[in-house]
Amino acid sequence: KNQVEQSPQSLIILEGKNCTLQCNYTVSPFSNLRWYKQDTGRGPVSLTIMTFSENTKSNGRYTATLDADTKQSSLHITASQLSDSASYICVVSAGGGSYIPTFGRGTSLIVHP
Amino acid sequence: EPEVTQTPSHQVTQMGQEVILRCVPISNHLYFYWYRQILGQKVEFLVSFYNNEISEKSEIFDDQFSVERPDGSNFTLKIRSTKLEDSAMYFCASSAGINSYNEQFFGPGTRLTVL
Repeated sequence: KNQVEQSPQSLIILEGKNCTLQCNYTVSPFSNLRWYKQDTGRGPVSLTIMTFSENTKSNGRYTATLDADTKQSSLHITASQLSDSASYICVVSAGGGSYIPTFGRGTSLIVHP
Repeated sequence: EPEVTQTPSHQVTQMGQEVILRCVPISNHLYFYWYRQILGQKVEFLVSFYNNEISEKSEIFDDQFSVERPDGSNFTLKIRSTKLEDSAMYFCASSAGINSYNEQFFGPGTRLTVL
């Protein structure tokens, strides 16, 4: 069964600090991995997408990494801002004709001033 | 910037009642989706829809659920006889293409509360 596990479940940091969120997956065959940001009461918004051959991808202060061998991904947030407070969700899509994505439970990030 | 919209933002209903959740996808998108997120749980895929028919559906999407594109702009999710466990946030999404490389754009969600 395809699964996506994220850690930590929640994280509190001070404004301006960096943080790294983790995602482990068991999805086969692997197609791609997305990180989403979900503000409270809103729908998820895509931050990055990574395919099998990509190791690193950046989007502003967000940098995602992928290790397809160990089936791990991370999302690094640099110089955090209060607006980064949100849930960050790792979503993995399988290949093989099914387009049903597998969602992680998310990491709830709170940035304090 | 185009966005997916959903109505109502919050729906309260009695167990056993029918509800219809409405979505207006981004206008040039061809693929539509419904997801749900039970409070504190992860987002779960319900169904994908293209060319007026269901492309894929999950185990959650049983006979109590149906989807429809009644006109050129709306995409609806109907729950025929709601149960307490249907209480959740329901998200509509749309994309330009079907494969997972095409970004799905999510609406703000409808919070369904079944009493």
